[in-house]
Amino acid sequence: DVKVTQSSRYLVKRTGEKVFLECVQDMDHENMFWYRQDPGLGLRLIYFSYDVKMKEKGDIPEGYSVSREKKERFSLILESASTNQTSMYLCASYPTGRETQYFGPGTRLLVL
Amino acid sequence: GENVEQHPSTLSVQEGDSAVIKCTYSDSASNYFPWYKQELGKRPQLIIDIRSNVGEKKDQRIAVTLNKTAKHFSLHITETQPEDSAVYFCAASIGDNTGKLIFGQGTTLQVKP
Repeated sequence: DVKVTQSSRYLVKRTGEKVFLECVQDMDHENMFWYRQDPGLGLRLIYFSYDVKMKEKGDIPEGYSVSREKKERFSLILESASTNQTSMYLCASYPTGRETQYFGPGTRLLVL
Repeated sequence: GENVEQHPSTLSVQEGDSAVIKCTYSDSASNYFPWYKQELGKRPQLIIDIRSNVGEKKDQRIAVTLNKTAKHFSLHITETQPEDSAVYFCAASIGDNTGKLIFGQGTTLQVKP
């Protein structure tokens, strides 16, 4: 059974803070994604990675960066958190050759 | 850019009735169309998917239809039950073999007992 975990379910940060969101998958998947979920907007892709140390921008990368030093871990970094980054953040992964994305439980981030 | 439009945004049905959610996509190269269900406070989970070489797929009470010419696909749930209440997302693959998905805006389905 695929397991995708995220470091926190809920997070409260102050404007200007640097925020790290961690995602870990235990199925040796090459591909990992970070989305944000907002009501009425669905899931929007922030960044994705096809392999270790590889990263590509999604549709809304501004204000975010990512790190993939190990295959199982994909980190999303908010360099200087702002109130408009208050959202639900979802991580997903899938193996090359398949297309089904498996999601983590999400991190609900509140920036004050 | 590419997009997926999903309708309706909310849907309320009586238990036992059918529910239909519709999506249209813009990328003519899209060839994979999954549907995800997200229950309150939980992660999205794949419930059914369809590829472009198939027009219809069914799994018990749920079915998906695809019209490639019209760039339109739909989710059909028959004999709805209260546990079907959730947010449903459609998605379409972007380009050819990129692995990327673009998601619809979501439909909140409420099944009244």
